[in-house]
Parts: sequence; C-alpha cells; structure tokens
Amino acid sequence: GQNIDQPTEMTATEGAIVQINCTYQTSGFNGLFWYQQHAGEAPTFLSYNVLDGLEEKGRFSSFLSRSKGYSYLLLKELQMKDSASYLCAVSLPSGSARQLTFGSGTQLTVLP
Amino acid sequence: DAGVTQSPTHLIKTRGQQVTLRCSPKSGHDTVSWYQQALGQGPQFIFQYYEEEERQRGNFPDRFSGHQFPNYSSELNVNALLLGDSALYLCASSLEAGTLSGANVLTFGAGSRLTVL
Repeated sequence: GQNIDQPTEMTATEGAIVQINCTYQTSGFNGLFWYQQHAGEAPTFLSYNVLDGLEEKGRFSSFLSRSKGYSYLLLKELQMKDSASYLCAVSLPSGSARQLTFGSGTQLTVLP
Repeated sequence: DAGVTQSPTHLIKTRGQQVTLRCSPKSGHDTVSWYQQALGQGPQFIFQYYEEEERQRGNFPDRFSGHQFPNYSSELNVNALLLGDSALYLCASSLEAGTLSGANVLTFGAGSRLTVL
C-alpha cells in the first residue's frame, strides 16, 4: 500500500521559521505536492516538486529527495494567518496523473 | 472567474438514507475528482470523472456512485448511509490536457460537510 507520514501537530511563534517534514513510501512517484487548508475551507495549492532540490516561493519553500522518499515544507517569517493544516500529497504513476494520495496533514498553530 | 463550487455546504442525514452532493468545476476545467476527508485526516480519493465516465476509482464500496454531465458538472451519490460516512466531501477539478505541474493539477472546492446520525 501507499504510506505518507507527517507529524500530526506543530506549534511555532510568530516571526519564526518552521519546517514540516513528510516521508513517503509509494509504488512509484510522479510528483509531490503541498497544500494548505484552513478550517472549513478548501485545500489550496502551495508547492510542487518533481525533481530533487529546493523550490522557493516567497515565504514558502519545499524540498524533495526522491532517493530518501522525503520532503519538507519550510515556512519563514510566520504569521498568525499561517495557522492551518498542511497536507503532503503524492501523485503516482498508476492511475490518473491527477489522482493524489494525501498524508493525514500537519496542524500548525502559530502563537503570538 | 468562479472556482469550484459545491452544494450543499452542510447537511444532516440518518443511517440508511441516501444523499446527493453537487459540484460545478472551475471554468475551463473538464475533469472532476471526489475526495472524502474525515475529521483530522487527509483527503481520500473516491473517484474521477472525465468525458462523463468514471475513469479511476479509489477503495470505496459501490454505495458510492457518481455522474458527470455534459457541462462537466458532477454529482456524488451515497446510498445506505453509515455513521462512518460522516465527513467533508471535497470536489476537485482539473483540465485533462493541462500540463502536470503544480497548481494546474487540482483546484478544490470548499466541500460539503455530511453528518450521519
């Protein structure tokens, strides 16, 4: 089966940096995605990695190591509005390219 | 440009009943996927519709069925509801011919919150 692991909860302080890790064991790999989901709202796309390395987009960066089955999402200069669930998801070669397998999500709480 | 819209936003049913959830994809998108998200969990893939046919299905029983209409909108039907069907049901749309990269993959709606009593 497919297995995607990420911490259940994390807490950080406003203005700080936080790293959310994700490890995956899947039968194949077509790309790794990070989504942000505020309570009661739709998941929104944050980042996408298909090759090893770091992708930076403003305050958010995502890293991928395919050989280690590992990714992380780095959030800098944390703001209160960053309190949300962060979902790691993998696209698999089998099936539709747009069928994503999600982890359980990491609930991030940003404290003042 | 309207995103993905879903209805109803909330609904309550009792065990054994049937429910229909509706989804209108983002303008320009032709593929609709449905996900179930239990409380505190990540979304789980139910199935995907393209060209009015079910193209891919996750590990869900036949009680879960769907339909896609010529205008690309979609319905999710669940029969013989169980308490365990209580969840947020998310619809996501995409463009089949679009390149697989980042935000082009899926656009999610805000979901329909189903409570089964």
